[in-house]
Amino acid sequence: ETGVTQTPRHLVMGMTNKKSLKCEQHLGHNAMYWYKQSAKKPLELMFVYSLEERVENNSVPSRFSPECPNSSHLFLHLHTLQPEDSALYLCASSQEDAGESVLTFGAGSRLTVL
Amino acid sequence: DAKTTQPNSMESNEEEPVHLPCNHSTISGTDYIHWYRQLPSQGPEYVIHGLTSNVNNRMASLAIAEDRKSSTLILHRATLRDAAVYYCILTWYNQGGKLIFGQGTELSVKP
Repeated sequence: ETGVTQTPRHLVMGMTNKKSLKCEQHLGHNAMYWYKQSAKKPLELMFVYSLEERVENNSVPSRFSPECPNSSHLFLHLHTLQPEDSALYLCASSQEDAGESVLTFGAGSRLTVL
Repeated sequence: DAKTTQPNSMESNEEEPVHLPCNHSTISGTDYIHWYRQLPSQGPEYVIHGLTSNVNNRMASLAIAEDRKSSTLILHRATLRDAAVYYCILTWYNQGGKLIFGQGTELSVKP
């Protein structure tokens, strides 16, 4: 496996379900990110982890709960979501470096909330 | 945050050069100019970045105006696989990898 891998690629869940999105990076990077891409809207930064510590939470509702157990893995735990949370969730990683960091994105997990 | 302005869409013919413009009139001296693109049904991918000088890599060239208030991404010979949304993004010192995406330019390539 190379790059950034996201599973599952597609997920359908009801509003009362609990599910998790998984991201794994094989690049030796020290920072990981969750982005959300809703239809016809720009990508929105949700969470940033640097050296396994959460350094940013962009006013994301508590029904989204990130977890970064080590520098290679990032999870997004989902519970009691709303239909408007349906979107493409993208994970990315980078080797943190001021200004010049290049992000490598996964292919995304397409989430549909019924 | 310094913002960028890009046209919503552009069209190109296959095998012709494409010049994608980006305005960033409020850029500061330490802001880097990054370009990413997002092909249909995929995550964004890095294309190129620069600070002051023009840059070339295997994917594209980046031409930066002398006053740095604008830049142009150049695809030397467009292919159908270059059809994507192209994002011009500024990153600043101490920001690390936190990219703030705009709407980007949707490039269509005609055979």
